[in-house]
Amino acid sequence: EVQLVESGGGLVQPGGSLKLSCAASGFIFSGSAMHWVRQASGKGLEWVGRIRSKANNYATAYAASVKGRFTISRDDSKNTAYLQMNSLKTEDTAVYYCTRHFRGYDFWGGSDYWGQGTLVTVSS
Amino acid sequence: DIQMTQSPSSLSASVGDRVTITCQASQDISKYLNWYQQKPGKAPKLLIFDASNLETGVPSRFSGSGSGTDFTFTISSLQPEDIATYYCQQYDNLPFTFGPGTKVDVK
Repeated sequence: EVQLVESGGGLVQPGGSLKLSCAASGFIFSGSAMHWVRQASGKGLEWVGRIRSKANNYATAYAASVKGRFTISRDDSKNTAYLQMNSLKTEDTAVYYCTRHFRGYDFWGGSDYWGQGTLVTVSS
Repeated sequence: DIQMTQSPSSLSASVGDRVTITCQASQDISKYLNWYQQKPGKAPKLLIFDASNLETGVPSRFSGSGSGTDFTFTISSLQPEDIATYYCQQYDNLPFTFGPGTKVDVK
């Protein structure tokens, strides 16, 4: 059974940093691209970014709203993906979801499995 | 970036009704579109991939169609458990943008 468990959310001041983790199980993590998606309270879904597999040089891509502030990484030995968030703004307040690339692949596709999400609140 | 629009933004229908949601992309995305269902307080769930393919385990009352820029999502006979917000997402080009969502409730 595919499972994605996010952790690391919490309250942080504007300008601060936070690192989220996504522990994966039930599939071959090393072969899968992984995505992060966020959702502000009462709002829609916003794709944050993704990291590809080692076979694709761990290539990353980001939404314009977070580029230069957020960094996605992964540790295949731990089956874990990460989202490092720096220079946080109040508008980054949201539930952050980790998602698996379609079928655990690393080419065409969006997300199939989603974690339960972790809440990040940026406030003074 | 590719902009995704959805209509309507919300709808209310009776149990058994046919419900249709449209999604439009700002440029040709071929068939590279997903539909997700999100129930309150829950993570989204993939229903349809590649515009018209039903994800495993998803009831057959859900369907999708379209290609290029115009897509349709249909619930053939609305059930009480279908109360949710539905989102389209394109994955033809980065960033993988979502539509704003359509909130569906039952009269």
